[in-house]
Amino acid sequence: EVQLVESGGGLVQPGGSLRLSCAASGFTFSNYWMHWVRRAPGKGLVWVSRVNNDGSSTAYADSVKGRFTISRDNAKNTMNLQMHSLRADDTAVYYCARDLGGPDIWGRGTVVTVSS
Amino acid sequence: QVVLTQSPSISASLGASVRLTCTLSSAHSSYSIAWHQQQPGKGPRCLMKLHGDGSHYKGDGIPDRFSGSSSGAERYLTISSLQSEDEADYYCQTWGSAIWVFGGGTKLTVL
Repeated sequence: EVQLVESGGGLVQPGGSLRLSCAASGFTFSNYWMHWVRRAPGKGLVWVSRVNNDGSSTAYADSVKGRFTISRDNAKNTMNLQMHSLRADDTAVYYCARDLGGPDIWGRGTVVTVSS
Repeated sequence: QVVLTQSPSISASLGASVRLTCTLSSAHSSYSIAWHQQQPGKGPRCLMKLHGDGSHYKGDGIPDRFSGSSSGAERYLTISSLQSEDEADYYCQTWGSAIWVFGGGTKLTVL
């Protein structure tokens, strides 16, 4: 079964850091670009970041540029999002998604809450 | 930068049909999009990819009740024979310059 499972979310204070992971199974992970998308409470889906299939190219939304770093480990079939200098407006459910000309497979998400 | 515009909410009766609209910015009227469904408390699910000529390709397991069509810069998702489980948020999404852009989403209420 093709599956993406996010982990690593939690409660963190403003200015803190958190590392999210996305574990992939059921497909050849190294063949696909991967993305992070988030949904803040009461808001819609917003694209956060993407990494190409071998990790050599990345891109970020302006709102997270310089604070978040996306990476992947194809040997472990995982993708990560290292988040620093977290702010209250980073509070959201974070989803990883596989790219097939747009997201075709989504995970169930992991909750990040930034609050003192 | 491409912009996708969706109405915030729509409601329709059980068993009826409903059409959701996603409008592309004028300079990007030929773009293909995807429709995604997010039921309460769940992750999103890709329903279909929809091209400017109206051709669409549905994801595995997506019922025949879901169909897509296009007219100019508008992309439509039609859901027929509405069921209670269709009550969800629906997002259109496109891709360009290796990033993704989402519409604001439409909340569908099934009465």
